[in-house]
Amino acid sequence: GAVVSQHPSRVICKSGTSVKIECRSLDFQATTMFWYRQFPKQSLMLMATSNEGSKATYEQGVEKDKFLINHASLTLSTLTVTSAHPEDSSFYICSARLGNWNTEAFFGQGTRLTVV
Amino acid sequence: SQQGEEDPQALSIQEGENATMNCSYKTSINNLQWYRQNSGRGLVHLILIRSNEREKHSGRLRVTLDTSKKSSSLLITASRAADTASYFCAPGNAGKSTFGDGTTLTVKP
Repeated sequence: GAVVSQHPSRVICKSGTSVKIECRSLDFQATTMFWYRQFPKQSLMLMATSNEGSKATYEQGVEKDKFLINHASLTLSTLTVTSAHPEDSSFYICSARLGNWNTEAFFGQGTRLTVV
Repeated sequence: SQQGEEDPQALSIQEGENATMNCSYKTSINNLQWYRQNSGRGLVHLILIRSNEREKHSGRLRVTLDTSKKSSSLLITASRAADTASYFCAPGNAGKSTFGDGTTLTVKP
């Protein structure tokens, strides 16, 4: 399958600081990427849909000013957790869709964020 | 978007046996994808089946889709210890997929 790389894999930051997570499609161009978060032993919760060249579409209950998404190129989307707090600690995973709406979506390896 | 619901929540089998997991969803879909997740890792894409397909194979995996019943199944044949993981279905509509709680499969050597 296609390769999606997420960086960093782990990050620890102090409360009040911001953290940027990158999601790259390595061998294909992705006009659409998705950001999820996952709490321990729970399912993935879709946070937002990231579209290249336009604003992200956020799911209900997700603060867009808290979780800034930028999809500046066809191979890169970034998620910035602003003014992080301990409750933002979670596993964040991105996925990139291979083509149009009816094609496969491949996931990155995830980023474990710990806010202390 | 809609969420798939996997059943059973947990499944424990012996190596060599077959494992069957089911997924139900509520509204119409364009496709349905199955993923595997090992603890603390990202999701590995297993297979995508489109709404006009009824069955699909990939190696030891067989996926079925019944749009009239709004359900899908994933069969893993001749299971191995390395198949131990959580399995998720992701019904897709308009290009967006959401996930249920998954089935935790344990394959005992």
